[in-house]
Amino acid sequence: GQQLNQSPQSMFIQEGEDVSMNCTSSSIFNTWLWYKQDPGEGPVLLIALYKAGELTSNGRLTAQFGITRKDSFLNISASIPSDVGIYFCAGQQGETSYDKVIFGPGTSLSVIP
Amino acid sequence: KAGVTQTPRYLIKTRGQQVTLSCSPISGHRSVSWYQQTPGQGLQFLFEYFSETQRNKGNFPGRFSGRQFSNSRSEMNVSTLELGDSALYLCASSLSSGGTDTQYFGPGTRLTVL
Repeated sequence: GQQLNQSPQSMFIQEGEDVSMNCTSSSIFNTWLWYKQDPGEGPVLLIALYKAGELTSNGRLTAQFGITRKDSFLNISASIPSDVGIYFCAGQQGETSYDKVIFGPGTSLSVIP
Repeated sequence: KAGVTQTPRYLIKTRGQQVTLSCSPISGHRSVSWYQQTPGQGLQFLFEYFSETQRNKGNFPGRFSGRQFSNSRSEMNVSTLELGDSALYLCASSLSSGGTDTQYFGPGTRLTVL
């Protein structure tokens, strides 16, 4: 079935470094979403992207909707310890129906103070 | 504004039992979706309820069911529990149905089946 691939699977970085992670698929998506999940909590929406080529920022986070509509990336600048968590991308193919929202396996981020 | 709340936060059951999980959406939100999260399968969509009606359903067996009440609160039921049902069950609420609005997730219910 359809699936999303996220890379890297995990990363360990030094506090203050910039981080880049991406999400790819063989299928086209109409919406890309990026979530962060802390241990023991539900995912929290970071950024939503609705148009191919769209570049959106939320504080130190920047995400882009790939031109081909098959990928998206998330950048975090000047990482801090509270950035630790699992980052999920999610793509939505249709314009309606949550059963068409597919989540990636996540990228685990560790920040070394 | 209070977020999505889920109860209980943790639950331990044995095989063959049934379980009911509860989700209270953000005030004013009428759509509630349920997801199962496991290390192996990731986040998978279970079903979505809007105005007390199931609108969408994922690929899960009939042992998984749900309902929504007139105040938009939702419950999810799993009957005849299996070991593989151990997971974090998340609910998410949104204003309207079907993916046109942002979903906000609750903290989840961690179900362990022994």
